[in-house]
This record gives sequence, structure tokens and C-alpha cells, in this order.
Amino acid sequence: GQQLNQSPQSMFIQEGEDVSMNCTSSSIFNTWLWYKQDPGEGPVLLIALYKAGELTSNGRLTAQFGITRKDSFLNISASIPSDVGIYFCAGSSNTGNQFYFGTGTSLTVIP
Amino acid sequence: DVKVTQSSRYLVKRTGEKVFLECVQDMDHENMFWYRQDPGLGLRLIYFSYDVKMKEKGDIPEGYSVSREKKERFSLILESASTNQTSMYLCASSPPTVTQYFGPGTRLTVL
Repeated sequence: GQQLNQSPQSMFIQEGEDVSMNCTSSSIFNTWLWYKQDPGEGPVLLIALYKAGELTSNGRLTAQFGITRKDSFLNISASIPSDVGIYFCAGSSNTGNQFYFGTGTSLTVIP
Repeated sequence: DVKVTQSSRYLVKRTGEKVFLECVQDMDHENMFWYRQDPGLGLRLIYFSYDVKMKEKGDIPEGYSVSREKKERFSLILESASTNQTSMYLCASSPPTVTQYFGPGTRLTVL
């Protein structure tokens, strides 16, 4: 199955800094999702994007559906310690309702 | 709030045992999915289901089977557990709008 390229693999940042991560695909997608996973827990949906160029916010999180439909971006502003976790992107062409997942970005926030 | 529950958070089984992992969702979603998650490999789709008694193979179905007798319940079966099936197993469900919601996961160890 297809895997998405997600970068960076890991980030170590100071509390208060902004964070950016991205996800790219070799295929065109119609839906992009961003999830956060805490250790030992299931992924929790953060933001869903359904249209090319769409920019959607959820509190301090902002995600964008790339215009080429082959990429997506997630930004976290003014990071706090509870932002620690693994962030996953997921994309779907809606064919068969299957999603393909990135390998995750591990975020560590240093107080 | 969407709720996806999994029967066990942690499970330890012996090689050759038959293992049942159960997933229940309370939102009347048509679609349900089983993934496994391994470090460095991300989420890989094992099986999914679009309706009661319907099932489709994902990317790594070997060694697994599934059952969906009721809309709210999707079971993953390991017919004869092996050590390479030690993993985190995640169940997800989704409505037709394709956003997937995950359960908390079952960490399975096969000795």
C-alpha cells in the first residue's frame, strides 16, 4: 500500500515556539486528515481537509490542503508541553474510502 | 462525541493461540477498519468493512480474518498467533464523509 512521506520525523522545540510539519504523496488526494497520538493511545482527529487550497484552524493548530492535492501542512503556534506526541497525516482519494498514513512526526516540547 | 471502543488495552497470548480483538462503535457508521501500527512502519491496513457481513482485504491481511455480524461491531481474529503479530492494533470507524475515528488501541504481545 502507499505510504506518505511525512517530515520531519522528529522535532525538539522550546515551549512557545511554532511548529511546522508536512506530508507529501505521489498520488492526488481528495481528503487530508491530521491526527495526534499520545503514547499508548489511539490517534485523535485534529483537522480534516476536503478541498484543495483549504486552510482550517483548530485552536492553535492550522492545516492546509496543498493546491497540487499531493501535499498537506500542519502548523502549531506557541507550543505548550501538552502538544507532545506523534502527529500523523492521512490522505484518501475516496476510492474505496481507504486512507494512507504518514509515518508520523514525533514532537517533544521542552519547558 | 464519536466513541470507538476496543475490548482490551493490553493482551498477552502464546504462539499458536486463537486471538479475538473486538471493536465497537456507537455512531452507526457504515465503515470500520483494522490497522496495525509498528515503529517506523506507520499504520498498515489489515481489513476493512463497508457493511454488515462485508469485508475487504487491506494491505496486510495474511494471518488475520475478520467478522462483522452487526453494524456496530467489527472483530479481528488471529487464527494462530505468531510472534511477528506482536503489535499495536487500532480499530477505526467512519461515516460516508470519510473522516476516520480511532479507538484507543490494543497492545498485543505474542510470546
